[in-house]
Amino acid sequence: EIVMTQSPATLSVSPGERATLSCRASQSVSSNLAWYQQKPGQAPRLLIYGASTRATGIPARFSGSGSGTEFTLTISSLQSEDFAVYYCQQYNNWPPKALTFGGGTKVEIK
Amino acid sequence: QVQLQESGPGLVKPSETLSLTCTVSGGSVSSGSYYWSWIRQPPGKGLEWIGYIYYSGSTNYNPSLKSRVTISVDTSKNQFSLKLSSVTAADTAVYYCARYFIVATIKVFDYWGQGTLVTVSS
Repeated sequence: EIVMTQSPATLSVSPGERATLSCRASQSVSSNLAWYQQKPGQAPRLLIYGASTRATGIPARFSGSGSGTEFTLTISSLQSEDFAVYYCQQYNNWPPKALTFGGGTKVEIK
Repeated sequence: QVQLQESGPGLVKPSETLSLTCTVSGGSVSSGSYYWSWIRQPPGKGLEWIGYIYYSGSTNYNPSLKSRVTISVDTSKNQFSLKLSSVTAADTAVYYCARYFIVATIKVFDYWGQGTLVTVSS
């Protein structure tokens, strides 16, 4: 099973500042990585797939980068609605032995 | 607009079987390129993929849960279901159904239900 590790667990950021979230895979997943945003009491929402492609309707302030084992989600200028938990998820191999998520990074107001 | 809605008991006794159904509207479970999935989230914790099913009945389960999980599909009702046997308190979680969209190299959970909390307790 591919283990996904996210850091930091919690990120305190002021509105308008940049947030940088990291995700590491225990083995290469190429660019087969997605990012999801989850707000309290809501289901996750797809933000990024293919490591860097924004999903439909996702603002340009969200960007993803990386390949192989190291990935980054950047929120260029945090808005109030961006304070949430962010999860990375790998989808390497087909069919997968297991689809795995990272443990999440909570972005909170500083 | 595709919508998914989970339904089922919110309380299950230890050692019994958890049963949930996901009803899909605005789309068909028989459409190609989609695998219909279950994902869970224990209170205050992260996401765990449980498994998925294709409309043909082909399934794939998380190895850590495989011995206890059955996912089935009812194309006539546009629903798919989850059964998790021999539950313990560790199975207490919000259970989400989700659509796993696959095209070329893209494989993502693009639509999710709102989630339903299932508590395992006597």
